[in-house]
Amino acid sequence: AQSVTQPDIHITVSEGASLELRCNYSYGATPYLFWYVQSPGQGLQLLLKYFSGDTLVQGIKGFEAEFKRSQSSFNLRKPSVHWSDAAEYFCAVGNAGNMLTFGGGTRLMVKP
Amino acid sequence: GAVVSQHPSRVICKSGTSVKIECRSLDFQATTMFWYRQFPKQSLMLMATSNEGSKATYEQGVEKDKFLINHASLTLSTLTVTSAHPEDSSFYICSARDILAGNNEQFFGPGTRLTVL
Repeated sequence: AQSVTQPDIHITVSEGASLELRCNYSYGATPYLFWYVQSPGQGLQLLLKYFSGDTLVQGIKGFEAEFKRSQSSFNLRKPSVHWSDAAEYFCAVGNAGNMLTFGGGTRLMVKP
Repeated sequence: GAVVSQHPSRVICKSGTSVKIECRSLDFQATTMFWYRQFPKQSLMLMATSNEGSKATYEQGVEKDKFLINHASLTLSTLTVTSAHPEDSSFYICSARDILAGNNEQFFGPGTRLTVL
């Protein structure tokens, strides 16, 4: 069975500081990996995805993530956080049948 | 492109009534749609996979007679919460997969907030 762990429930960073959100997955084959962002009361917006190829993936809003098979990780990074980045972030793993399993989410707060 | 809508965005109903939520893919065809439930401050949990023209596949622990899913066309899936109770109050989110996209990306709707009094 596939699973996703986001170890950090809450993270607070200062505006302009760098950000890394952790994601670890468990999956028997090559995973399809996703990062989504959710603002309060809203649906999910895809930030980036990894299917194959280059392990460093660029996404929208200046986000990037790196797939590390040896560590079963897919951490999300951003070099300089903006106040508008405050939201809930979800990592997800998908299988060939397109079933997504989500991590528990990380709530990001940005200090001015 | 790849827009998914949900209607209604918010619904309040009395206990014992039924509520229908619609999920539409606006600019693409979706043979498969997914329904998720999200409780406050929690993650999304897959409820069921909806396949056009066939019966939905429900996840373990989800009552198929309570959460009726119909996927009658390539652009519309509906979730009906029958005899709703306060514990069914939640945020329901659908997603759809573009059959022509050739990848495993799902596009999510904006969600429907259900409150059962």
